[in-house]
Amino acid sequence: DIQMTQSPASLSASLGETVTIECLASEDIYSNLAWYQQKPGKSPQLLIYYANSLNDGVPSRFSGSGSGTQYSLKINSLQSEDVSIYFCQQNYDSPYTFGAGTKLELK
Amino acid sequence: QVQLKESGPGLVQPSETLSLTCTVSGFSLTSYGVNWVRQPPGKGLEWMGTIWNDGSTDYNSALKSRLSISRDTSKSQVFLKMNSLQTEDTAIYLCARAGYAFDYWGQGVMVTVSS
Repeated sequence: DIQMTQSPASLSASLGETVTIECLASEDIYSNLAWYQQKPGKSPQLLIYYANSLNDGVPSRFSGSGSGTQYSLKINSLQSEDVSIYFCQQNYDSPYTFGAGTKLELK
Repeated sequence: QVQLKESGPGLVQPSETLSLTCTVSGFSLTSYGVNWVRQPPGKGLEWMGTIWNDGSTDYNSALKSRLSISRDTSKSQVFLKMNSLQTEDTAIYLCARAGYAFDYWGQGVMVTVSS
């Protein structure tokens, strides 16, 4: 199985700041990497697919990058509504594994 | 618009079988696959399995011996059955469309395994 190691586990940042979340795959996943945002009590929502493609309706302050085994999610100009848990997921090979999540809070 | 909605019992006895339904609208099951994902309270996401648009299935090997996913295209429904439930199967169970990644999700249904 492909392991997804996500860091950091938690993150505290101020409004307007830029934050970056990393995801490391245990093998090459050829950019088949998605990022999801999950707000408390809600189901996950797709932010980014194919490592850097922004899903419809997602604000442009979110961006994804990476290739091979290393990927990152960047949030520019942090807003209060961005407080959430963020998960990465590889959809290259079954089982389609998720990272453990990053809890983003406001400082 | 695309919608998915899970339904099923909220409480299941240990060793019993869980049966859940995902009812979809806004797309055809012959055009898109549907995934099942679960999330224990306060924990991460686990992919359980997928039924693809051609009706073939793919299961997480950790659950494969207990899990079955099927569908009724005429009713736009996908079914999950998992047997021999234990307390560690307590989780929110979600279905999600297999589009660009998991692009639309249901609200989830909480399943508690307890006597």
